[in-house]
Amino acid sequence: EPEVTQTPSHQVTQMGQEVILRCVPISNHLYFYWYRQILGQKVEFLVSFYNNEISEKSEIFDDQFSVERPDGSNFTLKIRSTKLEDSAMYFCASSDLTDYGYTFGSGTRLTVV
Amino acid sequence: QQQVKQSPQSLIVQKGGISIINCAYENTAFDYFPWYQQFPGKGPALLIAIRPDVSEKKEGRFTISFNKSAKQFSLHIMDSQPGDSATYFCAASYSGTYKYIFGTGTRLKVLA
Repeated sequence: EPEVTQTPSHQVTQMGQEVILRCVPISNHLYFYWYRQILGQKVEFLVSFYNNEISEKSEIFDDQFSVERPDGSNFTLKIRSTKLEDSAMYFCASSDLTDYGYTFGSGTRLTVV
Repeated sequence: QQQVKQSPQSLIVQKGGISIINCAYENTAFDYFPWYQQFPGKGPALLIAIRPDVSEKKEGRFTISFNKSAKQFSLHIMDSQPGDSATYFCAASYSGTYKYIFGTGTRLKVLA
């Protein structure tokens, strides 16, 4: 079964540092997403991406965040200057336009110290 | 208006029993209601989903019941098994956006 692959599985970073979280969506999917889940809390939408541009973003997705599809397979989330409150599990997802159902990756646990 | 309220927060069920998780929403524009299952250390996985033109959808032991007038939907797990122990999230979405609004999650434990 096709999978969404995320790397790394765990990243520890110093406050104020930049991090890049990487994702390889399912190859024939056209919509890409980032969600985050603070420990023990609900999954929250960050951003959706289609046709090489952001289609929607939440209030969480401020100027410190950016997304990019640098080539035909990768989809990245960059956090420019990490804060302690950015510590969370970040999930990438992708979907086929014909179906609302997402496929999520296994996530990257980001710990900001 | 964008919230999806989920209950209970946690649930313990005996093996073979029925697990019931409820969700309620306010935004009548929502037109897609999926349920996701999440095991520790893994991403949410789509379990079953429903659209408001049907009142019930069944896939194996999992059934979604949908009450449009009450703006509520629920997940029923029949013959619950220890392997069903996971966190379950309801979600909602609507045409024109592909983002999900997730409920707060229900941690289900099925006792052997």
